[in-house]
Amino acid sequence: EDQVTQSPEALRLQEGESSSLNCSYTVSGLRGLFWYRQDPGKGPEFLFTLYSAGEEKEKERLKATLTKKESFLHITAPKPEDSATYLCAVQAPGNQFYFGTGTSLTVIP
Amino acid sequence: NAGVTQTPKFQVLKTGQSMTLQCAQDMNHEYMSWYRQDPGMGLRLIHYSVGAGITDQGEVPNGYNVSRSTTEDFPLRLLSAAPSQTSVYFCASSLQVNQPQHFGDGTRLSIL
Repeated sequence: EDQVTQSPEALRLQEGESSSLNCSYTVSGLRGLFWYRQDPGKGPEFLFTLYSAGEEKEKERLKATLTKKESFLHITAPKPEDSATYLCAVQAPGNQFYFGTGTSLTVIP
Repeated sequence: NAGVTQTPKFQVLKTGQSMTLQCAQDMNHEYMSWYRQDPGMGLRLIHYSVGAGITDQGEVPNGYNVSRSTTEDFPLRLLSAAPSQTSVYFCASSLQVNQPQHFGDGTRLSIL
């Protein structure tokens, strides 16, 4: 069964304390892996797309990487405004998308 | 740009009632989709469309109908509402199926 698992469920960081979020997947024939950010009461907002193992994407304090079985979202020197829930989604064959349950990140000033 | 617009933002229904959740996008996107988001479950795909006149089922399609008569609009119909359909519903669109999706701000639906 296709599955996406994110860890940890919740993460509290001091401002400036770097860390990584994990997204592991068991989807066969991955077509793409997507990272989104979701703020309370809002829809997810796109961050990155990764299509093949070894690919990396970077934007400000965020960097996403992809292997054959998992993806990492690295957050370097986070700020309070980075506090949000980070969602991982994979595109499987047949135009299906599967989302993880997310990592709730809190950055404390 | 308005992006993806969902209406209504909030709705309360009684069991057995029917209703339509509206979704419109102004970006000329071919791919549109509907998700529900429940605590501890993540976003789950209900139905999707790869273009006008074409729809298909996602992971949790039971109890919902969709149609896509235009590129811009993709309404979701609840045929006979059940308490298990209480959720937050998100509509999304993308240029093509393998492109990043743009999400609306959701419809919060409660069924009593």
